[in-house]
Amino acid sequence: GAVVSQHPSWVICKSGTSVKIECRSLDFQATTMFWYRQFPKQSLMLMATSNEGSKATYEQGVEKDKFLINHASLTLSTLTVTSAHPEDSSFYICSAPSGGLYGYTFGSGTRLTVV
Amino acid sequence: GENVEQHPSTLSVQEGDSAVIKCTYSDSASNYFPWYKQELGKRPQLIIDIRSNVGEKKDQRIAVTLNKTAKHFSLHITETQPEDSAVYFCAASSTGNQFYFGTGTSLTVIP
Repeated sequence: GAVVSQHPSWVICKSGTSVKIECRSLDFQATTMFWYRQFPKQSLMLMATSNEGSKATYEQGVEKDKFLINHASLTLSTLTVTSAHPEDSSFYICSAPSGGLYGYTFGSGTRLTVV
Repeated sequence: GENVEQHPSTLSVQEGDSAVIKCTYSDSASNYFPWYKQELGKRPQLIIDIRSNVGEKKDQRIAVTLNKTAKHFSLHITETQPEDSAVYFCAASSTGNQFYFGTGTSLTVIP
């Protein structure tokens, strides 16, 4: 079936640094990638939608300059958390429409801890 | 935009009993309603979904019902087992648009 590979799975970084999270569709072309954030014991919150070759669409309240999204190819979308702060610590997960029986395929998630 | 509400937030049932989780949505354009099961620290796993052209779908112990008029849909798990314990999320989407999740239900099945 369709697979979205997400890396890294866990990252710890210092405040003020930037972290890049990658999501790759391994056996299908992902023209769209959804990026979510999940705080402990809370639901998945849609942050932004990236489309290959165009600018991402951000949800209300999400700082586009802080969460940089790039979707340069049909198989790769990246989320860069810039100037990270402890409050950015969260579980970030991507998903892409993959057609077929299941519709959407999720990456394995990235646990970001900012210290 | 779409607003998905989910109840209850926590649910405990005895092994073998049924569990029901309910969701409502606001956008009448939504036409795809999946349910996900998420274990701690792992990606959500699709367990069942329903499209707006049907009212009910069943897969072994899991069933989903949809009432388009009332804009609500429900997940039913029968003969619950301890391995059913997890957080369950409903979601709503209109084809090609954003994908919005409910707030989640933490289900505990007591042996």
